[in-house]
Amino acid sequence: DSGVTQTPKHLITATGQRVTLRCSPRSGDLSVYWYQQSLDQGLQFLIQYYNGEERAKGNILERFSAQQFPDLHSELNLSSLELGDSALYFCASSVETSGPEQFFGPGTRLTVL
Amino acid sequence: AQSVTQPDIHITVSEGASLELRCNYSYGATPYLFWYVQSPGQGLQLLLKYFSGDTLVQGIKGFEAEFKRSQSSFNLRKPSVHWSDAAEYFCAFRGSNYKLTFGKGTLLTVNP
Repeated sequence: DSGVTQTPKHLITATGQRVTLRCSPRSGDLSVYWYQQSLDQGLQFLIQYYNGEERAKGNILERFSAQQFPDLHSELNLSSLELGDSALYFCASSVETSGPEQFFGPGTRLTVL
Repeated sequence: AQSVTQPDIHITVSEGASLELRCNYSYGATPYLFWYVQSPGQGLQLLLKYFSGDTLVQGIKGFEAEFKRSQSSFNLRKPSVHWSDAAEYFCAFRGSNYKLTFGKGTLLTVNP
């Protein structure tokens, strides 16, 4: 158990819908990262937040957005969902002051029908 | 371009045999290097990491990895594989930005 929690574990929805994925980092970790894992693209970095502020952006679609709240939990919002958005979405956290390693949550499996 | 290459998509070994998973990276300097393992339906677990110093690093579950700057490699090894090691293994690096760049992964099958 990494200490990073993600909810829900599974999500099944229809095209055009909007969903919210939630992540709670390890206690004391200020950084939260979101990654997408799909069969064709592999593991891709989406976005990073540090202490409530967006710090780095990767291959994140405009239909996707994220935020980090004062209690440091983060949410990833996916809208106008398409079939190709079906993937495993991971959240990771790190403290950075003691090392750059990231600890991953169990993931949310999103299925868009 | 910054990238990680894991040349072996799938490796099959017998239980008790030795294992080496290959990883090469492309980056302008020495990055932070990691190996993660993913069991079916699970998240990514950090096996080991290399930041600097001793080029042979020890990790959890009896794994070790060796950093070779001249070859831009960070290969993962285990002297004797157990059936519970069957999983997918990912090599990754972190450069000057904060994101992890992952390889495509190597699926390990362990035969009894």
